[in-house]
Amino acid sequence: AQSVTQPDIHITVSEGASLELRCNYSYGATPYLFWYVQSPGQGLQLLLKYFSGDTLVQGIKGFEAEFKRSQSSFNLRKPSVHWSDAAEYFCAFTGTASKLTFGTGTRLQVTL
Amino acid sequence: EPEVTQTPSHQVTQMGQEVILRCVPISNHLYFYWYRQILGQKVEFLVSFYNNEISEKSEIFDDQFSVERPDGSNFTLKIRSTKLEDSAMYFCASSEDLQGADTQYFGPGTRLTVL
Repeated sequence: AQSVTQPDIHITVSEGASLELRCNYSYGATPYLFWYVQSPGQGLQLLLKYFSGDTLVQGIKGFEAEFKRSQSSFNLRKPSVHWSDAAEYFCAFTGTASKLTFGTGTRLQVTL
Repeated sequence: EPEVTQTPSHQVTQMGQEVILRCVPISNHLYFYWYRQILGQKVEFLVSFYNNEISEKSEIFDDQFSVERPDGSNFTLKIRSTKLEDSAMYFCASSEDLQGADTQYFGPGTRLTVL
């Protein structure tokens, strides 16, 4: 079945520490991969996406993600987390059709 | 920066009542979507819409649901007879293209509470 798994429901990091949020997908071909962020009371904002080419993609707010085909993963990273990064993060993919399939999300808490 | 807007932000209704959720997509976008997120669960695709027709729908999108673009700017989701299990956050999204690689821009959502 086509699915996205985000194994970490909740992560807490200290401000200034590095961050890695995990995402694994199950799909029969190479999907288009996305990371969205949702702050309280806000909609889903696109951080970055991968659709071809360089497997390391850069996004907004200093985030990056690396597509690893061999591991069916698309992990999100940030070298130094800011308190304003506290939010819920969703990994998602599409295939040939445009509907997004989302993971269950990872809630990030940042301690000062 | 253009954005997708949704109204109302919160809707409370009684079971069995009809509700209409409204969305204004980004003006030059041609493809529109509805997703929902039941509390504590993942965001789920409901329907995509293009050129006044449904392009794709999920098994969730049964006969109780309908979508419409009543004018040049609004995109609506109607639930004819709400059930308790329809309580969720409903997100509207729009994109320029229907290709899988195209970015979908999301609105802030409407929280629907069915009592």
